Amino acid sequence: EAGVTQFPSHSVIEKGQTVTLRCDPISGHDNLYWYRRVMGKEIKFLLHFVKESKQDESGMPNNRFLAERTGGTYSTLKVQPAELEDSGVYFCASSRIRGGEAFFGQGTRLTVV
Amino acid sequence: AQRVTQPEKLLSVFKGAPVELKCNYSYSGSPELFWYVQYSRQRLQLLLRHISRESIKGFTADLNKGETSFHLKKPFAQEEDSAMYYCALSGGNTDKLIFGTGTRLQVFP
Repeated sequence: EAGVTQFPSHSVIEKGQTVTLRCDPISGHDNLYWYRRVMGKEIKFLLHFVKESKQDESGMPNNRFLAERTGGTYSTLKVQPAELEDSGVYFCASSRIRGGEAFFGQGTRLTVV
Repeated sequence: AQRVTQPEKLLSVFKGAPVELKCNYSYSGSPELFWYVQYSRQRLQLLLRHISRESIKGFTADLNKGETSFHLKKPFAQEEDSAMYYCALSGGNTDKLIFGTGTRLQVFP
């Protein structure tokens, strides 16, 4: 069984540009989560999808961040326009059932210069 | 406020020594507590969760509600235990994870 995969693994962009991160969850996992870790800080929750619906987006920092999960399969997280403080590692995780074990992707390291 | 505190950024021990990674939490209710581990160049993975009461790779963790702690322990550390360890909690009507800042464990030969 393939694990959670994230693309790209690294991205370096200039301030003001747009970046789109992608997450492919484990097949059959309805729950998909986005987290991020900024330098020196804890991993923080961004949002939670159940299938294609946003269940909880309380962690989204501001309206420059847009997450989608059309069709309830893969998800994208777009940052537009990117700011320096958006730099960090963005993790995606999926689980089959709510409260079940969350399987993490390898993360996308985003650097905004 | 919901919070997980891991006071140690780095813990260094020699092989065969006991290990205790500290985790304290703040939560108004009955949370579920987890330990996640990230080995070098690998993804974050679940090590154990308090409800399962398992011992994984020799590690155990007991939830102490009185002290609001969930310390991770292993009696004899191995070199392959070297990794980043994160304590996390979830609870209420949401299963989002709240993480601590992590503790890097270094086990020297």
